Amino acid sequence: DTGVSQDPRHKITKRGQNVTFRCDPISEHNRLYWYRQTLGQGPEFLTYFQNEAQLEKSRLLSDRFSAERPKGSFSTLEIQRTEQGDSAMYLCASSLVTGRYEQYFGPGTRLTVT
Amino acid sequence: GQQVMQIPQYQHVQEGEDFTTYCNSSTTLSNIQWYKQRPGGHPVFLIQLVKSGEVKKQKRLTFQFGEAKKNSSLHITATQTTDVGTYFCAGEKTTDSWGKLQFGAGTQVVVTP
Repeated sequence: DTGVSQDPRHKITKRGQNVTFRCDPISEHNRLYWYRQTLGQGPEFLTYFQNEAQLEKSRLLSDRFSAERPKGSFSTLEIQRTEQGDSAMYLCASSLVTGRYEQYFGPGTRLTVT
Repeated sequence: GQQVMQIPQYQHVQEGEDFTTYCNSSTTLSNIQWYKQRPGGHPVFLIQLVKSGEVKKQKRLTFQFGEAKKNSSLHITATQTTDVGTYFCAGEKTTDSWGKLQFGAGTQVVVTP
């Protein structure tokens, strides 16, 4: 399968713990996006990268959230000191920077904070 | 919160009927994309509209971009059970970074056989 993959698919953690998610984009895609989606809502932009450079981070995003894409391939999203309000589906997407540049989404990581 | 508004939030359709879902932005968009998310799935790209007044068709789906590039619509004819899912519009604002999308809350479509 050459689509976007995410790991883990599900994560249950206790409030106050740190969690890290991984995203592997489509290999030739140089853009990588992170979104958060809650029930009944559309994906909410968190941050995105072009190659290894983080281009923008949502102003709504707490300092507890950090993302990296160290070699311009896979990316990690870390949430420190998780809160119950962090419970959501975390989606990763990738795209090209030329042409139609539609975004290809991964299956997501569902985070539950207890 | 969502900066791109979609109506209706829910759409119950009898199989074979037509329906339209609408997307509105308070600011001008450089382009708009539509995605479909099946229950339990992830968003899947349907189409991108770039030009003012642009109309594109994909089989039974017709997409339109408004003249002012602030609104868009998706019209589905002869709805089938395979059309079940949530349809999202996602706009790229002219004032935003290139490639950054603002998603609407979606229109959840339920089809009754």
